[in-house]
Amino acid sequence: EADIYQTPRYLVIGTGKKITLECSQTMGHDKMYWYQQDPGMELHLIHYSYGVNSTEKGDLSSESTVSRIRTEHFPLTLESARPSHTSQYLCASSAHLAGANHEQYFGPGTRLTVT
Amino acid sequence: AQTVTQSQPEMSVQEAETVTLSCTYDTSENNYYLFWYKQPPSRQMILVIRQEAYKQQNATENRFSVNFQKAAKSFSLKISDSQLGDTAMYFCAFMKPLIQGAQKLVFGQGTRLTINP
Repeated sequence: EADIYQTPRYLVIGTGKKITLECSQTMGHDKMYWYQQDPGMELHLIHYSYGVNSTEKGDLSSESTVSRIRTEHFPLTLESARPSHTSQYLCASSAHLAGANHEQYFGPGTRLTVT
Repeated sequence: AQTVTQSQPEMSVQEAETVTLSCTYDTSENNYYLFWYKQPPSRQMILVIRQEAYKQQNATENRFSVNFQKAAKSFSLKISDSQLGDTAMYFCAFMKPLIQGAQKLVFGQGTRLTINP
């Protein structure tokens, strides 16, 4: 399995709480991504980073924010959780270099439930 | 806009049988990458197989192979000699370039495959 980790794996939290989902990778990849996946549905990109100090929004509008202070770390924060944020969040990374295989490696995901 | 369509929400076959999962996509680009990812229950998403559009030869990885029809924009996955461990959600995905070398995956809706003993 890939060396990309997410914590917590499962989180049940009340409305209005601030939460941070952690993602870290030990492969030295410069590109990192956050996807959102509702149960049994496809994934949609919500944030990405092409390197340290870069963050960009994806296709799916999200009230979450991200930061990229270190290469290996790409946390996602929700300032005030709402039931509409209930979903699975998957982190991924890739190394887009000349000759690289373009594969994105996924973490195990965080299943978030907001009550 | 790039879209990916998987028309089979669920499939079920017996162990050792061969199964084919369908995928069609839409793009105006000439060179691109296509992927099949596997998501087992409560486990990580892992890459099954990749295809580069400029390669005419269909990709093969052990029991997994693709039938890539570029003109028809079709990218089906064939699993031979299916095993119980192949039970998973399978996603077809198209890779689209973003800025500064980043790339995003555009996923289909997924096909839930069950291998029965």
